[in-house]
Amino acid sequence: ELKVEQNPLFLSMQEGKNYTIYCNYSTTSDRLYWYRQDPGKSLESLFVLLSNGAVKQEGRLMASLDTKARLSTLHITAAVHDLSATYFCAVDNSGYALNFGKGTSLLVTP
Amino acid sequence: DTGVSQNPRHKITKRGQNVTFRCDPISEHNRLYWYRQTLGQGPEFLTYFQNEAQLEKSRLLSDRFSAERPKGSFSTLEIQRTEQGDSAMYLCASSSQTGLGTGELFFGEGSRLTVL
Repeated sequence: ELKVEQNPLFLSMQEGKNYTIYCNYSTTSDRLYWYRQDPGKSLESLFVLLSNGAVKQEGRLMASLDTKARLSTLHITAAVHDLSATYFCAVDNSGYALNFGKGTSLLVTP
Repeated sequence: DTGVSQNPRHKITKRGQNVTFRCDPISEHNRLYWYRQTLGQGPEFLTYFQNEAQLEKSRLLSDRFSAERPKGSFSTLEIQRTEQGDSAMYLCASSSQTGLGTGELFFGEGSRLTVL
């Protein structure tokens, strides 16, 4: 059974600081996705990583994928309050469904 | 196209009642998914359709749950004899599975079920 583990699960960080969220998964996959969820809202797609070494950047967020290590990272640069949300990674190893981690709840404070 | 649409957005029901949720996917997407999300957890896969065929069901989908996608368009998820443990957000997602597809899922706003 594919397991997807994120850490940390909770993260409080000051505005302007940098931090990295980690996503480990247990079986071979070369497709990994990052989503953002605001409270009471649905999931918004952030990044689609489809090969080993893939790196995607959007604004203050950068995601990377290392399929050999079964690890993806979501790096936050110079955090701002608007980034406060829950971030999920999801892995596709079945060809049809995504398996999600438990999410990292991020709070950016002044 | 405005994206994946779900209704009702909120449903409060008494234990033992039946409820039905509807999902309208992005029109050109051939795959439709149902996920369940409880507080503090990531979404959990329930079932998916390719066109009108239901191709996979999770063991989470007890026999009180049934999903349909007639004509490969909208889908319904029915829960019979609801239990308090069914309280959750039910998320629908769709995707386009072609040779160049990324497998990215596009989610609706969800239908929140509260069973009293």
